[in-house]
Amino acid sequence: DGGITQSPKYLFRKEGQNVTLSCEQNLNHDAMYWYRQDPGQGLRLIYYSQIVNDFQKGDIAEGYSVSREKKESFPLTVTSAQKNPTAFYLCASSLFFWEDSGNTIYFGEGSWLTVV
Amino acid sequence: KQEVTQIPAALSVPEGENLVLNCSFTDSAIYNLQWFRQDPGKGLTSLLLIQSSQREQTSGRLNASLDKSSGRSTLYIAASQPGDSATYLCAVRPWSGNTPLVFGKGTRLSVIA
Repeated sequence: DGGITQSPKYLFRKEGQNVTLSCEQNLNHDAMYWYRQDPGQGLRLIYYSQIVNDFQKGDIAEGYSVSREKKESFPLTVTSAQKNPTAFYLCASSLFFWEDSGNTIYFGEGSWLTVV
Repeated sequence: KQEVTQIPAALSVPEGENLVLNCSFTDSAIYNLQWFRQDPGKGLTSLLLIQSSQREQTSGRLNASLDKSSGRSTLYIAASQPGDSATYLCAVRPWSGNTPLVFGKGTRLSVIA
């Protein structure tokens, strides 16, 4: 089936650790995104990538890093510099980044990160 | 800066009722507006996408309207069912800036059998 796969579903981080969330898509989409969702809040953009080997900071990039070495993969690393990382993380993709013809964004099932 | 507001934050209705969810946005310079559904602990599923040149879109029991000039959209759900219980999020795609989608905080809907 075509779609976006995020792993792991649940992840626990100790203080001072870096952790990496995986996101893989087989939709042949150029653009990929990482969002953070806190309880009762809307989604906030962390990083996005318009095309392979390119990525840009979103609204809340501090304490996070990404790479886009392959078209289908866009992993997110939550570093120890992120002081409040406990949240629900959502990966998404779309055919293109900028398009005015109805470019739907598809989301993965999300990953829960908890600091212990 | 574009802001999206959804009212009400939560809504509880008996099964069978028709209901309306509201979304407002501050800047009319948008490519499109999307409505998403999110079940607890899950990702988002796109329900309807309205282009800036369109007035409404329909899918089954769902109808979404867009009044770009006034910065408003509504999602109408006909004959609500318990399976419609979820959080509904509205998002706009702005012309400018680096944010592909600006989301509202959502409306949490409970349909009581």
